[in-house]
Amino acid sequence: SAVISQKPSRDICQRGTSLTIQCQVDSQVTMMFWYRQQPGQSLTLIATANQGSEATYESGFVIDKFPISRPNLTFSTLTVSNMSPEDSSIYLCSVGEGTGREKLFFGSGTQLSVL
Amino acid sequence: GESVGLHLPTLSVQEGDNSIINCAYSNSASDYFIWYKQESGKGPQFIIDIRSNMDKRQGQRVTVLLNKTVKHLSLQIAATQPGDSAVYFCAVSSGSARQLTFGSGTQLTVLP
Repeated sequence: SAVISQKPSRDICQRGTSLTIQCQVDSQVTMMFWYRQQPGQSLTLIATANQGSEATYESGFVIDKFPISRPNLTFSTLTVSNMSPEDSSIYLCSVGEGTGREKLFFGSGTQLSVL
Repeated sequence: GESVGLHLPTLSVQEGDNSIINCAYSNSASDYFIWYKQESGKGPQFIIDIRSNMDKRQGQRVTVLLNKTVKHLSLQIAATQPGDSAVYFCAVSSGSARQLTFGSGTQLTVLP
């Protein structure tokens, strides 16, 4: 399975600011996925990031709030913009096995707290 | 759309006993099922998966059982150890999108 490194591992931010989360994979992958895990909750897909094209966002998530970059096949960033306390969550980067999107492997996550 | 639920949000077992974590799904067209383990402060870790053409699959100390008739999935952990304490998620996939829908998670606590 791919090794996925995510940073920062945690951060405490002030409302109204933005935070960019980085995800690095040790092998080239077609798709990278960004998930949100709210406190005590399950995982919700934010968007799918493809290299060379705009990210595909799920219902309820918009590019202005969660801009994503995917400059190459091993790296992606997710920015949480104009943060509010409701954005306090764990943000997870993941990749699928091979070219699939079912058997996912996850990074260690970014624990974000917004004051 | 798909909905996935776990029967119990928490489960406590004695060390050495077997654990069973249950999951129900709604879409009869779901054909791929996967279990994850998430320890505190870490991302979900793949445990085992199964496709709908199988009823049972075994790994190291873990077994996944699939009952398509009642749309039920279970994860069995044999001889549960303290290191098994974590939140366990099931997830299912169906349709052309092949996108996982996650359940809400069961917190497993192993008692000494």
